[in-house]
Amino acid sequence: DGGITQSPKYLFRKEGQNVTLSCEQNLNHDAMYWYRQDPGQGLRLIYYSQIVNDFQKGDIAEGYSVSREKKESFPLTVTSAQKNPTAFYLCASSPVAGREKLFFGSGTQLSVL
Amino acid sequence: AQSVTQLDSQVPVFEEAPVELRCNYSSSVSVYLFWYVQYPNQGLQLLLKYLSGSTLVKSINGFEAEFNKSQTSFHLRKPSVHISDTAEYFCAVSDQDSSASKIIFGSGTRLSIRP
Repeated sequence: DGGITQSPKYLFRKEGQNVTLSCEQNLNHDAMYWYRQDPGQGLRLIYYSQIVNDFQKGDIAEGYSVSREKKESFPLTVTSAQKNPTAFYLCASSPVAGREKLFFGSGTQLSVL
Repeated sequence: AQSVTQLDSQVPVFEEAPVELRCNYSSSVSVYLFWYVQYPNQGLQLLLKYLSGSTLVKSINGFEAEFNKSQTSFHLRKPSVHISDTAEYFCAVSDQDSSASKIIFGSGTRLSIRP
C-alpha cells in the first residue's frame, strides 16, 4: 500500500540529547513537510522540501534540522538547542509543493524525560 | 509571508443546526486555500480546497466554503451538522507564487455536536 510512514510512534529525549524522527513515503511525491502540533496552536511548519537535496525553513525551524538525500525520506532531528521539544510531530507529503493536498503520516509523540 | 487566523477555538452546536467556522488569511499574493479535518484519534485529511475558478467549493459530506478575496476569508459552512462531524477543523493557505510553496495552517477550531 502506498503511504507515508513515521517512526517511532513514541519517542523520549533526555536533556542535551539529539533525536531523529523518521519519515518515509512511497507515493513518489516531490514535496515533503514537517509540522509540530501543540494543543491550541494548530500545526506549525518546521521545515519543508520541494525536491531532493533542497529544503527551506518554516516558521519554527530553530532547534531542528533536516536532510533530503532521497526522494522518499525526510528525517527530522530535534537538537538539544530546542528547549521545548515536547509535542506531536507530523510529516506530510504532496505531489507538488503548495497546491496539492497533503498526505499525512500518523505522527510521532516526542516527550522529554 | 502568509498567515491564517481561525477566530474560534471551539464551536459547540446542536445536531441538525447550521454551523460556520471562520477563517481569515493574509498574503501579499494570490493564494490557494484548504480546509483539513482531524476526527478523534485519526490523522488529518483534506476536506476541500480552492485553487481557482468558482469561489464556492464543496465537499462530499455537505460542507462548503467560499473564497472571498475582498474580505480575505474562506469560511466553512454546513447547513445541518451530524454527530459524526465532531472533529477539529484546520484552515490552511499557500501562496501561488511558485517560489514560496509552504503551506501554513491556522490554530484549529474544535467542533462539538450536542444531541
